[in-house]
Amino acid sequence: QQQVKQSPQSLIVQKGGISIINCAYENTAFDYFPWYQQFPGKGPALLIAIRPDVSEKKEGRFTISFNKSAKQFSLHIMDSQPGDSATYFCAASRGSNYQLIWGAGTKLIIKP
Amino acid sequence: GAGVSQTPSNKVTEKGKYVELRCDPISGHTALYWYRQSLGQGPEFLIYFQGTGAADDSGLPNDRFFAVRPEGSVSTLKIQRTERGDSAVYLCASSLQGYNSPLHFGNGTRLTVT
Repeated sequence: QQQVKQSPQSLIVQKGGISIINCAYENTAFDYFPWYQQFPGKGPALLIAIRPDVSEKKEGRFTISFNKSAKQFSLHIMDSQPGDSATYFCAASRGSNYQLIWGAGTKLIIKP
Repeated sequence: GAGVSQTPSNKVTEKGKYVELRCDPISGHTALYWYRQSLGQGPEFLIYFQGTGAADDSGLPNDRFFAVRPEGSVSTLKIQRTERGDSAVYLCASSLQGYNSPLHFGNGTRLTVT
């Protein structure tokens, strides 16, 4: 019940395309859903986060879609660029920003 | 401004030795966190400091692991009698306050125990 299942494990998208990464959770008490971007040799960087009182949040080319009834949330990267190539982690937590349950990560490659 | 700084960036040690890993958080951030990340996985929470005190140390795997933050700024993660299974990237993060403030991660210390 504490797991966050992330898919796909890896993803290749053409430059300019839309990258979509999905996550599913079981614990309905989760109330914070961040996405992190991690480049090789670097720490994760918070990309965008959502709370369950909204169904969508957009920041620039990045959008989180949240479906509370299905217990799923996804990251959409519009107009994907080679610089977006990185590993993306979804996560979830209840009541805190640090006791995160992490997905397994998605390695995204944007082909020029 | 400067981000979270971790030193050393790489540390190789022999099984059974003692190591110290240092974290210098973003200036003004009162909350500091340690995580451990194994290859191909998300970070695993170890300990959370609010100011000088450990507010939550529930993630420390056993009593070989200890962390301090004596002046409420720099923190040191200490690992005694290292084991090969301790090999991982140790990440430090800080946030302006606790709870709802976004985490800012450092680049980590890659620890290899031979």
